[in-house]
Amino acid sequence: KAGVTQTPRYLIKTRGQQVTLSCSPISGHRSVSWYQQTPGQGLQFLFEYFSETQRNKGNFPGRFSGRQFSNSRSEMNVSTLELGDSALYLCASRSTSGTNTGELFFGEGSRLTVL
Amino acid sequence: SQQGEEDPQALSIQEGENATMNCSYKTSINNLQWYRQNSGRGLVHLILIRSNEREKHSGRLRVTLDTSKKSSSLLITASRAADTASYFCATAFSNDYKLSFGAGTTVTVRA
Repeated sequence: KAGVTQTPRYLIKTRGQQVTLSCSPISGHRSVSWYQQTPGQGLQFLFEYFSETQRNKGNFPGRFSGRQFSNSRSEMNVSTLELGDSALYLCASRSTSGTNTGELFFGEGSRLTVL
Repeated sequence: SQQGEEDPQALSIQEGENATMNCSYKTSINNLQWYRQNSGRGLVHLILIRSNEREKHSGRLRVTLDTSKKSSSLLITASRAADTASYFCATAFSNDYKLSFGAGTTVTVRA
């Protein structure tokens, strides 16, 4: 099986712009979560989607949003970028079948730099 | 805020030695997981231990969980250079699998 795929891997934006990151989960995985990783705050949960519905949301401002499509692919969007949004954004998928062990499968991340 | 706190923050050992790192958390959990991250890359799941389990093994990994002390430890035996990475504990409070990660332990294995 192919792993979790995130695009783009690297991107540079300027303050005030917006960005959209994409995540394709492992085939058959219907749950997709997003995490932000920074040196100062570590790994912070952004949100989780399951069957196109947001089930959980972390403590981030409304500038951070996401969605999930019927094929389980997910996108997250950050509007009005700030310098502090520079981070590695990680997407993770998990199985929701009866054999689900709770394990998350992570992509390689999208590294966003805001100038 | 982070639920888990790892100790130590960094660890340097010789190849072949064992590496032990600890994780403490604050509230009751459903399960605790350990992940590895090589520099700037995605996280790789290592092992999951449920709240009703006390010890679990996977290859060279041994994880313990003490729910009365709200702490867990990860032991890597006979370390190899390839074990050089950051290790994170993550706690799940319920079956919604929203994970709270600790700050991580950076392990360097010297050849």
